[in-house]
Amino acid sequence: QVQLVQSGAEVKKPGSSVKVSCKASGGTFSSYTISWVRQAPGQGLEWMGRIIPIFGTANYAQKFQGRVTITADESTSTAYMELSSLRSEDTAVYYCARALVATEFDYWGQGTLVTVSS
Amino acid sequence: EIVMTQSPATLSVSPGERATLSCRASQSVSSNLAWYQQKPGQAPRLLIYGASTRATGIPARFSGSGSGTEFTLTISSLQSEDFAVYYCQQYNNWPPKYTFGQGTKLEIK
Repeated sequence: QVQLVQSGAEVKKPGSSVKVSCKASGGTFSSYTISWVRQAPGQGLEWMGRIIPIFGTANYAQKFQGRVTITADESTSTAYMELSSLRSEDTAVYYCARALVATEFDYWGQGTLVTVSS
Repeated sequence: EIVMTQSPATLSVSPGERATLSCRASQSVSSNLAWYQQKPGQAPRLLIYGASTRATGIPARFSGSGSGTEFTLTISSLQSEDFAVYYCQQYNNWPPKYTFGQGTKLEIK
């Protein structure tokens, strides 16, 4: 059974960075891409970027370009999303999600709440 | 960027009745469209992909239709567990730059 298990909730100061992990099990990590999607309180879903672990290549939504870095470690089947220069508007639940190269997200992580507050 | 617009924002329907949700793309996405269901405090769940194919384990009362720019999700006979927020998503770009609609909240009438 495929599972994506994310790291726990974080509280960060404005201007700092956060790194969230997403560990995959039950599937072939290298056969899929991992995307990161965030959801601000009471708001909709917003795609941030994705990585193809087998190549290590990532592409990002323009809104987050320069501020987000997505990486993956094939040896541990874990993907990471690091967001820098945090501001209060980055307070959200961050999800990882699995997809084939350019398809729908068939499995999602449980979400990680990141709170940015002084 | 392809913009996805869902309507209505909120839909009030009685249990047992049919619900029809709409999603429009600002340009053609062919059939590269998915629908997700999200309940409070939970991650989204894939319902439909390829505009009309049900994901594994999704009941037959859920159906999707459309192509190009106009899409519909129909729930034929609403059950209590179907009241949730529904999102459409396109995945037509290359390299992928997925975009979601703003969601439709399906509530009990």
